[in-house]
Amino acid sequence: DAGVIQSPRHEVTEMGQEVTLRCKPISGHDYLFWYRQTMMRGLELLIYFNNNVPIDDSGMPEDRFSAKMPNASFSTLKIQPSEPRDSAVYFCASTEGGDSGNTIYFGEGSWLTVV
Amino acid sequence: KQEVTQIPAALSVPEGENLVLNCSFTDSAIYNLQWFRQDPGKGLTSLLLIQSSQREQTSGRLNASLDKSSGRSTLYIAASQPGDSATYLCAVNLRRTGANNLFFGTGTRLTVIP
Repeated sequence: DAGVIQSPRHEVTEMGQEVTLRCKPISGHDYLFWYRQTMMRGLELLIYFNNNVPIDDSGMPEDRFSAKMPNASFSTLKIQPSEPRDSAVYFCASTEGGDSGNTIYFGEGSWLTVV
Repeated sequence: KQEVTQIPAALSVPEGENLVLNCSFTDSAIYNLQWFRQDPGKGLTSLLLIQSSQREQTSGRLNASLDKSSGRSTLYIAASQPGDSATYLCAVNLRRTGANNLFFGTGTRLTVIP
């Protein structure tokens, strides 16, 4: 398997624009996570899905952020409108099964800069 | 709220030296603790996972220990190599089920000097 695939790898956008980040989890993994990493706050869980259903979105910072998982092989994280403070690295991760001892696999991240 | 702290934030050592990275957490009611490696511009790779009932785990030159009662974990790297240069993060999981729900530390950036 190619691992967790994220796109775009890098994006620079202007404040107010819509940003859509994409993720393809590892085939067969039934849990998908979106994390955000910044220098100030480190890695934070934004939302996670089980079998395409959002389970916990308490980490989503505000209504400008939304995430969907229309099928088992695709998820999106959307920011609308974007703001400079959204600049961060956004990671998607996936794991198989509900045991927290299972290995979690991360994508290489989407580096977002909002100017 | 669980807080995870890693000290030092950065560490430089000469090649061949043994080193210890530290991780502390405020709530000892964890289910497991994981150590990850992050290379620049890359995602995270899981290195070791210690269940709350375990004291340590070993993989090659890496040894992770866990003292749940004191809220501490260490990652020991033996005979460090330049290829070990990366950021190392620890993360705790509070639950057995519901998949990984990890609280991360901010990491220690390790540089091994040839």
